[in-house]
Amino acid sequence: SYELTQPPSVSVSPGQTARITCSGDALPKQYVYWYQQKAGQAPMLVINEDSERPSGISDRFSGSSSGTTATLTISGVQAEDEADYYCQSADNSGTYVLFGGGTKLTVL
Amino acid sequence: EVQLVESGGGLVQPGRSLRLSCVTSGFTFDDYGMHWVRRAPGKGLEWVSGMSWNSGRIGYADSVKGRFTISRDNAKNSLYLQMNSLRAEDTAVYYCAKGTDPGETSILYAFDMWGQGTMVTVSS
Repeated sequence: SYELTQPPSVSVSPGQTARITCSGDALPKQYVYWYQQKAGQAPMLVINEDSERPSGISDRFSGSSSGTTATLTISGVQAEDEADYYCQSADNSGTYVLFGGGTKLTVL
Repeated sequence: EVQLVESGGGLVQPGRSLRLSCVTSGFTFDDYGMHWVRRAPGKGLEWVSGMSWNSGRIGYADSVKGRFTISRDNAKNSLYLQMNSLRAEDTAVYYCAKGTDPGETSILYAFDMWGQGTMVTVSS
């Protein structure tokens, strides 16, 4: 079955840059979307269609995609960025919506 | 203000059924695709099912295909998930989520608004 692969955890100090990757064979053909989910809250869309930032999302969040890997970059990480981050895309046939396993971002 | 409010969760025995509802407001419901996404305890997000704005395209995860049915009532601005033959592994918080693009005929897009979720526990 098709999967999106994310690192289980990423840790950075405040002010540093965090990079979270998402890998999948279909990514050259499918958009990637990124969500932030804080404890006890619903997920929130932070990057749309590989690299577009929705209204109201801090410009510290950016996205890129090249080949089979997409990357969410959080610049100048703050304590409030500590959360689980998920990528979303689709399989090669465009039949299934898929989420990556999630990455827990820890701010040291 | 856009709102999505799920209900219908609870404790249910394995093999039984449950119907979730999602009542929406603040946007033109029948213009948008809608989906169900769940998160099991200690695990990540899992897409469950989705439906295009005109019900012309419907999709299910393999884990629920044949057991769950998604539907919508545009007159009531509501989305539903009928869950039959429930299993312990269906235990999760179930979220209703709105698609980003009006009039999109596929089910492949981002979800820009989410409800707060309703907990489903399958246990004897």
